[in-house]
Amino acid sequence: AQTVTQSQPEMSVQEAETVTLSCTYDTSENNYYLFWYKQPPSRQMILVIRQEAYKQQNATENRFSVNFQKAAKSFSLKISDSQLGDTAMYFCAFMSDDDKIIFGKGTRLHILP
Amino acid sequence: ETGVTQTPRHLVMGMTNKKSLKCEQHLGHNAMYWYKQSAKKPLELMFVYNFKEQTENNSVPSRFSPECPNSSHLFLHLHTLQPEDSALYLCASSQVGTLGVENEQYFGPGTRLTVT
Repeated sequence: AQTVTQSQPEMSVQEAETVTLSCTYDTSENNYYLFWYKQPPSRQMILVIRQEAYKQQNATENRFSVNFQKAAKSFSLKISDSQLGDTAMYFCAFMSDDDKIIFGKGTRLHILP
Repeated sequence: ETGVTQTPRHLVMGMTNKKSLKCEQHLGHNAMYWYKQSAKKPLELMFVYNFKEQTENNSVPSRFSPECPNSSHLFLHLHTLQPEDSALYLCASSQVGTLGVENEQYFGPGTRLTVT
């Protein structure tokens, strides 16, 4: 069975610093998708970044980038030049080819002024 | 992990049917959530219950009716749904502290709903 593990329940960094959130997963499938979602205090989930497993190039979205290591089954999220608005709960998610989606338990990120 | 279970895992219903989705958490948490995951939109939060009281309803149509009889069980009652309601419905639970701070959310496997 697929699993998603976020080993950091909570993290704090100073504004403008770079922070990396870790995510590992387990699957026997070769084709799948990986996501990072942000859940700010407003509670609505925001899709931050998406990675297709067949693509070797790491996805990037402005200040957000991932380090996708397929062999190691690792999918970490790097936030550069962190801002106060980045304070949120971050969820890593795995979706198989048949649309089955599994979420990690989340990492609460605090950006300190 | 069997912390949060959802039944059924798959459901096909007609637009005139009435059905219910069930979520059960075995983790002793005090907050439960319903999310909708569809191909067209990222994960959407629908309802939040803290200590069995509904604290959030994010503009969800009345054809979706949640029920939280106790802190371990959460239902989503469905009636007169539309085809665009077809989606994966995910349940989650967490422990909310005395200051209202939520800890990690544990997600269930989801119910794949198809409305015909």
